[in-house]
Amino acid sequence: NAGVTQTPKFQVLKTGQSMTLQCAQDMNHEYMSWYRQDPGMGLRLIHYSVGAGITDQGEVPNGYNVSRSTTEDFPLRLLSAAPSQTSVYFCASSYSGGVGETQYFGPGTRLLVL
Amino acid sequence: AQTVTQSQPEMSVQEAETVTLSCTYDTSESDYYLFWYKQPPSRQMILVIRQEAYKQQNATENRFSVNFQKAAKSFSLKISDSQLGDAAMYFCAYRSDNYGGSQGNLIFGKGTKLSVKP
Repeated sequence: NAGVTQTPKFQVLKTGQSMTLQCAQDMNHEYMSWYRQDPGMGLRLIHYSVGAGITDQGEVPNGYNVSRSTTEDFPLRLLSAAPSQTSVYFCASSYSGGVGETQYFGPGTRLLVL
Repeated sequence: AQTVTQSQPEMSVQEAETVTLSCTYDTSESDYYLFWYKQPPSRQMILVIRQEAYKQQNATENRFSVNFQKAAKSFSLKISDSQLGDAAMYFCAYRSDNYGGSQGNLIFGKGTKLSVKP
């Protein structure tokens, strides 16, 4: 199993550009999430999905869109990048989002918005 | 809403010695799960240890153990026989006992950066 994979590893964008951060898992996990990590802030939840076709907002959803057409993939879209979206983005998954389940994290995508 | 607090932004330990990282949390729930994640310079988030709130026994994983004080809402991580490879950022995280929804996600503290001196 590759686990949770994310692409790209690093990206530079100009303000106003759009892009999609890719996330895929091969563990047949229903539950997937996106977090962002900023210095001194820990990780904060952006969006999550409890299964294909079902998504919902987390703590900091503004400026991001998600969709979940398959169990395996959960892309995060930046519609119009802003410098405030400079961050490290982590995708995570777990089997069902049920009680006590461990979330497994991807290696992260570092995004710099100029 | 639940919160997680790590009051030590940075800690330092001598190789082979023991260090304890602190974490406190606030919740009105009686059942929940607590985790410690390690983030080395590679940025990969690695699960170190987890604790179920309904269990009185403290979790242990090799050189890593926790001191879980439910009444005090405290969840500290003890690293014994510290090694150079333990140098990393450590995050404490909380997860609700409620099934699914946003409750299935983790609430993180801001992290403690651990340095290990040779």
